[in-house]
Amino acid sequence: GAGVSQSPSNKVTEKGKDVELRCDPISGHTALYWYRQSLGQGLEFLIYFQGNSAPDKSGLPSDRFSAERTGGSVSTLTIQRTQQEDSAVYLCASNRERENEQFFGPGTRLTVL
Amino acid sequence: AQTVTQSQPEMSVQEAETVTLSCTYDTSESNYYLFWYKQPPSRQMILVIRQEAYKQQNATENRFSVNFQKAAKSFSLKISDSQLGDTAMYFCAFMKLGAGSYQLTFGKGTKLSVIP
Repeated sequence: GAGVSQSPSNKVTEKGKDVELRCDPISGHTALYWYRQSLGQGLEFLIYFQGNSAPDKSGLPSDRFSAERTGGSVSTLTIQRTQQEDSAVYLCASNRERENEQFFGPGTRLTVL
Repeated sequence: AQTVTQSQPEMSVQEAETVTLSCTYDTSESNYYLFWYKQPPSRQMILVIRQEAYKQQNATENRFSVNFQKAAKSFSLKISDSQLGDTAMYFCAFMKLGAGSYQLTFGKGTKLSVIP
C-alpha cells in the first residue's frame, strides 16, 4: 500500500517568507507526528496529532511554527517569517493508535537563504 | 525528560563482517520501547528492530539483533554478515509509554559505511 507522502520534496525560500509543508499519512493511521532533522540538533519532535484530541505542541520551537490536521488525515506544517536556522529536513510519520512503530515519509528539505 | 546518546558518529565495517553500534539512554520511566531506525541517503527512515523494556529477551530480526541491558540503560545493535545495503545512518530512539503522545526521542545517529 501507499506509504507516508510529503510535499514538496525540496523547498528553497528567502528569509522572512512563509512556507507550508504537507504530509499525507497512511490511510487509517490516526496518529501523525512532525519531526525536524538538522545538522546541529539532530532529530527533534515538533508536534503530535491523535484523532480528534488536542495536539501535543510541546516540541514547536517558536510561535512562528504551527500545524493543523484537517479531517483527521492530511497535515500542514506552516513556518512564518522563516529564518536561516529553520533550514532542515522536516519529517512526517504516522501510525495507528497504540501501535509503536512509526512510518516515516521521505521528508521535505527546507533551505532558507 | 529522556536523553539518548550514540557515542560513535561514524563507523565502518567490511562486507560480511559483524559490527556493533552503541546506544545509551537516560530515563526515570519504567515502561518504554527502544528502537533502531535506519536512514539511507534517500532520507526514508525505516524501522530495523524494536525492544519492549519489560521483555528480558533480546530482540532479533534476521541479521540484526540487540543487546538490551536495562539496568545499565544500554541498547546496542549488532549487524551480522554486513551487506552493502546496510550503509546508512542508524538512529537509536526511545518512546515513553502511557498517557500523552508517543513521540520518539532520538540519538544523534551513527553513520555506518560497509566497505566491499
